[in-house]
Amino acid sequence: SQQGEEDPQALSIQEGENATMNCSYKTSINNLQWYRQNSGRGLVHLILIRSNEREKHSGRLRVTLDTSKKSSSLLITASRAADTASYFCATGPLNSGYSTLTFGKGTMLLVSP
Amino acid sequence: DGGITQSPKYLFRKEGQNVTLSCEQNLNHDAMYWYRQDPGQGLRLIYYSQIVNDFQKGDIAEGYSVSREKKESFPLTVTSAQKNPTAFYLCASSMGGANGYTFGSGTRLTVV
Repeated sequence: SQQGEEDPQALSIQEGENATMNCSYKTSINNLQWYRQNSGRGLVHLILIRSNEREKHSGRLRVTLDTSKKSSSLLITASRAADTASYFCATGPLNSGYSTLTFGKGTMLLVSP
Repeated sequence: DGGITQSPKYLFRKEGQNVTLSCEQNLNHDAMYWYRQDPGQGLRLIYYSQIVNDFQKGDIAEGYSVSREKKESFPLTVTSAQKNPTAFYLCASSMGGANGYTFGSGTRLTVV
Protein backbone atom coordinates (compact mmCIF):
# COMPACT_ATOMS: atom_id res chain seq x y z
CA SER A 1 0.00 0.00 0.00
CA GLN A 2 1.23 3.50 -0.81
CA GLN A 3 1.96 5.55 2.28
CA GLY A 4 3.51 8.72 0.90
CA GLU A 5 1.99 10.76 -1.90
CA GLU A 6 4.15 13.36 -3.61
CA ASP A 7 2.82 16.55 -5.08
CA PRO A 8 3.11 17.72 -7.79
CA GLN A 9 3.53 14.66 -10.01
CA ALA A 10 5.70 16.71 -12.34
CA LEU A 11 7.49 20.04 -12.06
CA SER A 12 9.29 22.03 -14.74
CA ILE A 13 11.49 25.00 -13.84
CA GLN A 14 14.44 27.04 -15.15
CA GLU A 15 17.97 26.77 -13.83
CA GLY A 16 18.51 28.99 -10.83
CA GLU A 17 14.92 28.75 -9.63
CA ASN A 18 13.89 26.92 -6.49
CA ALA A 19 11.96 23.65 -6.63
CA THR A 20 9.53 22.60 -3.94
CA MET A 21 8.03 19.13 -3.68
CA ASN A 22 5.55 17.97 -1.10
CA CYS A 23 4.81 14.63 0.49
CA SER A 24 1.76 13.65 2.48
CA TYR A 25 1.36 10.44 4.43
CA LYS A 26 -1.36 8.72 6.40
CA THR A 27 -0.05 6.93 9.46
CA SER A 28 2.32 7.91 12.24
CA ILE A 29 5.97 7.68 11.33
CA ASN A 30 9.36 7.24 12.93
CA ASN A 31 11.18 9.04 10.15
CA LEU A 32 10.74 10.34 6.62
CA GLN A 33 13.37 10.14 3.92
CA TRP A 34 13.83 11.68 0.50
CA TYR A 35 15.46 9.90 -2.41
CA ARG A 36 16.44 10.89 -5.92
CA GLN A 37 16.32 8.68 -9.02
CA ASN A 38 17.87 9.48 -12.35
CA SER A 39 16.16 7.84 -15.30
CA GLY A 40 16.80 4.10 -15.44
CA ARG A 41 19.00 4.11 -12.34
CA GLY A 42 18.73 3.17 -8.69
CA LEU A 43 17.63 5.54 -5.97
CA VAL A 44 20.05 7.71 -4.04
CA HIS A 45 19.38 8.64 -0.44
CA LEU A 46 19.28 12.42 0.03
CA ILE A 47 18.18 13.17 3.56
CA LEU A 48 16.43 11.65 6.57
CA ILE A 49 14.33 13.62 9.04
CA ARG A 50 13.13 12.08 12.28
CA SER A 51 9.65 12.57 13.68
CA ASN A 52 10.93 14.83 16.44
CA GLU A 53 12.68 17.15 13.98
CA ARG A 54 10.98 19.99 12.11
CA GLU A 55 13.61 21.06 9.61
CA LYS A 56 16.86 19.75 8.22
CA HIS A 57 19.39 21.08 5.73
CA SER A 58 21.94 19.42 3.51
CA GLY A 59 23.74 21.60 1.00
CA ARG A 60 21.07 23.06 -1.33
CA LEU A 61 18.39 20.81 0.16
CA ARG A 62 15.97 21.83 2.87
CA VAL A 63 13.44 19.41 4.28
CA THR A 64 10.60 20.26 6.62
CA LEU A 65 8.32 17.91 8.50
CA ASP A 66 4.95 18.72 10.02
CA THR A 67 3.72 15.65 11.88
CA SER A 68 0.45 17.35 12.83
CA LYS A 69 -0.41 17.70 9.14
CA LYS A 70 1.37 14.47 8.20
CA SER A 71 3.31 16.25 5.51
CA SER A 72 6.85 17.03 4.44
CA SER A 73 8.41 19.28 1.84
CA LEU A 74 11.70 19.13 -0.04
CA LEU A 75 13.13 22.41 -1.27
CA ILE A 76 15.99 22.46 -3.75
CA THR A 77 17.48 25.93 -3.98
CA ALA A 78 19.25 27.41 -7.01
CA SER A 79 18.43 24.39 -9.13
CA ARG A 80 20.73 23.08 -11.84
CA ALA A 81 20.08 21.02 -14.97
CA ALA A 82 21.80 18.13 -13.17
CA ASP A 83 18.99 18.15 -10.58
CA THR A 84 16.64 16.76 -13.25
CA ALA A 85 15.39 13.49 -11.78
CA SER A 86 12.48 11.90 -9.95
CA TYR A 87 12.24 12.53 -6.24
CA PHE A 88 10.58 10.12 -3.84
CA CYS A 89 9.60 10.39 -0.23
CA ALA A 90 9.66 7.27 1.92
CA THR A 91 8.28 6.75 5.39
CA GLY A 92 9.41 4.52 8.19
CA PRO A 93 6.45 3.50 10.36
CA LEU A 94 6.26 4.11 14.07
CA ASN A 95 6.75 0.83 15.85
CA SER A 96 9.15 -0.69 18.28
CA GLY A 97 10.51 -3.34 16.00
CA TYR A 98 12.11 -3.51 12.61
CA SER A 99 10.36 -1.69 9.81
CA THR A 100 10.63 -1.21 6.07
CA LEU A 101 10.27 1.97 4.09
CA THR A 102 7.13 2.69 2.09
CA PHE A 103 7.69 4.83 -1.00
CA GLY A 104 5.44 7.29 -2.79
CA LYS A 105 5.04 7.53 -6.57
CA GLY A 106 7.48 10.39 -6.91
CA THR A 107 7.74 13.86 -8.41
CA MET A 108 9.46 14.22 -11.78
CA LEU A 109 11.57 17.38 -11.80
CA LEU A 110 12.80 18.90 -15.06
CA VAL A 111 15.29 21.73 -14.80
CA SER A 112 15.89 23.50 -18.09
CA PRO A 113 19.13 25.36 -18.83
CA ASP B 1 34.60 1.37 -2.63
CA GLY B 2 31.64 -0.08 -0.76
CA GLY B 3 28.46 -0.54 -2.65
CA ILE B 4 25.67 -2.75 -3.85
CA THR B 5 25.80 -4.50 -7.21
CA GLN B 6 22.91 -5.84 -9.21
CA SER B 7 23.29 -8.06 -12.24
CA PRO B 8 22.45 -8.36 -14.98
CA LYS B 9 21.41 -4.84 -15.97
CA TYR B 10 18.98 -6.20 -18.58
CA LEU B 11 17.32 -9.60 -18.57
CA PHE B 12 14.93 -11.22 -20.99
CA ARG B 13 12.72 -14.09 -19.99
CA LYS B 14 10.56 -16.40 -21.99
CA GLU B 15 7.09 -17.27 -20.81
CA GLY B 16 7.18 -20.09 -18.25
CA GLN B 17 10.83 -19.65 -17.29
CA ASN B 18 12.27 -18.89 -13.88
CA VAL B 19 15.00 -16.28 -13.74
CA THR B 20 17.27 -15.19 -10.90
CA LEU B 21 18.41 -11.63 -10.29
CA SER B 22 21.64 -11.15 -8.39
CA CYS B 23 22.24 -8.63 -5.60
CA GLU B 24 25.56 -8.37 -3.74
CA GLN B 25 26.68 -5.80 -1.17
CA ASN B 26 30.00 -5.17 0.56
CA LEU B 27 28.69 -2.56 3.00
CA ASN B 28 28.39 -5.04 5.87
CA HIS B 29 24.69 -4.18 6.06
CA ASP B 30 22.46 -6.61 7.92
CA ALA B 31 19.25 -5.78 6.06
CA MET B 32 18.51 -6.25 2.38
CA TYR B 33 15.42 -5.58 0.31
CA TRP B 34 13.89 -6.19 -3.11
CA TYR B 35 11.52 -3.66 -4.67
CA ARG B 36 9.67 -3.64 -7.94
CA GLN B 37 9.08 -0.43 -9.89
CA ASP B 38 6.56 -0.10 -12.71
CA PRO B 39 6.27 2.99 -14.98
CA GLY B 40 4.70 5.91 -13.17
CA GLN B 41 4.54 3.93 -9.95
CA GLY B 42 6.43 4.06 -6.73
CA LEU B 43 8.45 1.18 -5.36
CA ARG B 44 6.62 -1.85 -4.06
CA LEU B 45 8.29 -4.20 -1.59
CA ILE B 46 8.68 -7.81 -2.68
CA TYR B 47 10.82 -9.39 0.06
CA TYR B 48 13.19 -8.26 2.76
CA SER B 49 15.73 -9.85 5.04
CA GLN B 50 16.97 -8.54 8.36
CA ILE B 51 19.57 -11.21 8.96
CA VAL B 52 21.19 -14.20 7.33
CA ASN B 53 18.91 -17.22 6.86
CA ASP B 54 15.80 -15.17 7.55
CA PHE B 55 13.51 -13.24 5.21
CA GLN B 56 9.99 -11.84 5.19
CA LYS B 57 7.35 -11.32 2.52
CA GLY B 58 6.58 -7.80 1.44
CA ASP B 59 3.44 -6.44 -0.19
CA ILE B 60 3.77 -8.31 -3.50
CA ALA B 61 5.66 -11.55 -2.76
CA GLU B 62 3.48 -13.86 -4.86
CA GLY B 63 5.42 -15.35 -7.76
CA TYR B 64 8.80 -14.49 -6.26
CA SER B 65 11.28 -16.30 -4.01
CA VAL B 66 14.49 -15.30 -2.25
CA SER B 67 17.31 -16.76 -0.20
CA ARG B 68 19.77 -15.25 2.25
CA GLU B 69 22.56 -17.76 2.76
CA LYS B 70 25.26 -15.11 3.05
CA LYS B 71 25.20 -11.64 4.53
CA GLU B 72 26.48 -10.17 1.28
CA SER B 73 23.99 -11.80 -1.08
CA PHE B 74 20.20 -11.67 -1.53
CA PRO B 75 19.19 -13.17 -4.89
CA LEU B 76 15.62 -12.86 -6.18
CA THR B 77 14.01 -15.55 -8.33
CA VAL B 78 11.10 -14.53 -10.51
CA THR B 79 9.11 -17.70 -11.02
CA SER B 80 6.73 -18.69 -13.79
CA ALA B 81 3.91 -18.08 -11.31
CA GLN B 82 4.51 -14.33 -11.57
CA LYS B 83 2.02 -13.36 -14.25
CA ASN B 84 3.30 -9.89 -15.02
CA PRO B 85 7.04 -9.89 -14.35
CA THR B 86 8.10 -7.16 -16.77
CA ALA B 87 9.38 -4.38 -14.51
CA PHE B 88 12.43 -2.64 -13.09
CA TYR B 89 13.77 -4.48 -10.02
CA LEU B 90 15.73 -2.67 -7.35
CA CYS B 91 17.77 -4.19 -4.55
CA ALA B 92 18.72 -2.18 -1.49
CA SER B 93 20.53 -2.64 1.79
CA SER B 94 20.67 -0.80 5.09
CA MET B 95 22.06 -1.04 8.59
CA GLY B 96 18.49 -1.62 9.73
CA GLY B 97 16.39 0.49 12.04
CA ALA B 98 15.84 4.12 11.09
CA ASN B 99 18.59 4.45 8.50
CA GLY B 100 18.71 5.26 4.85
CA TYR B 101 18.86 2.62 2.15
CA THR B 102 21.64 2.13 -0.38
CA PHE B 103 20.26 1.02 -3.72
CA GLY B 104 21.76 -0.93 -6.56
CA SER B 105 21.46 0.31 -10.13
CA GLY B 106 18.59 -2.05 -10.93
CA THR B 107 17.75 -4.89 -13.30
CA ARG B 108 15.24 -4.37 -16.06
CA LEU B 109 13.37 -7.62 -16.71
CA THR B 110 11.37 -8.09 -19.88
CA VAL B 111 9.22 -11.07 -20.79
CA VAL B 112 9.49 -11.98 -24.48
